[in-house]
Amino acid sequence: RKEVEQDPGPFNVPEGATVAFNCTYSNSASQSFFWYRQDCRKEPKLLMSVYSSGNEDGRFTAQLNRASQYISLLIRDSKLSDSATYLCVVNIRGYQKVTFGTGTKLQVIP
Amino acid sequence: DTAVSQTPKYLVTQMGNDKSIKCEQNLGHDTMYWYKQDSKKFLKIMFSYNNKELIINETVPNRFSPKSPDKAHLNLHINSLELGDSAVYFCASSPQDGNQETQYFGPGTRLLVL
Repeated sequence: RKEVEQDPGPFNVPEGATVAFNCTYSNSASQSFFWYRQDCRKEPKLLMSVYSSGNEDGRFTAQLNRASQYISLLIRDSKLSDSATYLCVVNIRGYQKVTFGTGTKLQVIP
Repeated sequence: DTAVSQTPKYLVTQMGNDKSIKCEQNLGHDTMYWYKQDSKKFLKIMFSYNNKELIINETVPNRFSPKSPDKAHLNLHINSLELGDSAVYFCASSPQDGNQETQYFGPGTRLLVL
């Protein structure tokens, strides 16, 4: 089983739709969690950290479920500019590295 | 001002050649990384340096040799290039060791081995 797993997609959604991605992680010692965004032919950039209590940033909501070992990202009112690959990132306690998921591709259609 | 920069952005070379990729960060970060992103877009860590000291070396062939002359620079030298080395190589930095810290990525170096 991969350390961090994501549905690769693509998710094709119309503008204005709400879309949700999940990411599962295998190591229960995982300590911190992030969502990064990677545009086509660009570098990954931090979208948001994921806190135990869940957190929201505008149209984006991230949640963590430690019992089931998954994190989620919800995007409301999708914009064309949201089209990108969304990478789930997990840091494992005791390891000095973060592990990236393979990413979920989102395409928002006019 | 570019925070994390890499040179070159594109590198096309023949199998068997030796090449280097340079990375510099002006963020004052202590930790720098090299990642490889293959054709399936999987981003995998290769090396991590903290204050010029190697702290992570992920089962990378010894044809790949990182060098950190100071904490603002982490270069990657690749000997005897193979077709499978074709990928995008990203340099990144973070204030500490990546533990609960944001990673800042460079624009990537697209390597094509012919």
